[in-house]
Amino acid sequence: QSALTQPPSASGSPGQSVTLSCTGSSSDVGGYNFVSWYQQHPGKAPKVMIYEVSKRPSGVPDRFSGSKSGNTASLTVSGLQAEDEADYYCSSYGGSNNHVFGTGTKVTVL
Amino acid sequence: EVQLVESGGGLVQPGGSLRLSCAASGFTFSSFWLHWVRQVPGQGLVWVSRINTDGSITGYADSVKGRFTISRDNAKNTLYLQMNGLRPEDTAIYYCTRELMSGTNFWGQGTLVTVSS
Repeated sequence: QSALTQPPSASGSPGQSVTLSCTGSSSDVGGYNFVSWYQQHPGKAPKVMIYEVSKRPSGVPDRFSGSKSGNTASLTVSGLQAEDEADYYCSSYGGSNNHVFGTGTKVTVL
Repeated sequence: EVQLVESGGGLVQPGGSLRLSCAASGFTFSSFWLHWVRQVPGQGLVWVSRINTDGSITGYADSVKGRFTISRDNAKNTLYLQMNGLRPEDTAIYYCTRELMSGTNFWGQGTLVTVSS
């Protein structure tokens, strides 16, 4: 149950796009289409932004999109806005009734 | 309005026990899988445990297996986490969350557990 690997930080100017990666293994990210992405602002509870690799819950802007290739999942935030500045965590089902989160990426809007 | 309200956190000595509760409202509690996730302040999210709709299937992270027990009371719309043999490394904010892998995912605000002598 090792944590999924995410880059510690990413940044972009308003209006730009930023892509976050989430690398696991064939036992988790690569083995299941159950990858989710969560946004967490300081002092707040996480909020799901993407589920099942690329699906967006109602209310989440279409600026957020997800994809997966092999053992790596990605979250792209297009048209960056100030309110997108937050920590982002990926999560995957890991089989055998387990789940695993990523190490988290802090997104800064310059 | 969907609500998940955790309680039961606090300061406990190493080796001690604590039971966390998560009271749910605003949705059909018995229809959803539930999870506990923890987070050391300033650090990342860590999955702890999950339980299916009727409580017959549970899962645990290796770090808590044998020490923590997840359960639910669908009549009381409440999720529990019994934590025994607590260690300093269990210190964290504990969140209950609904349907971790779904678009209907929802989180409580968390309860802080501090394990220290």
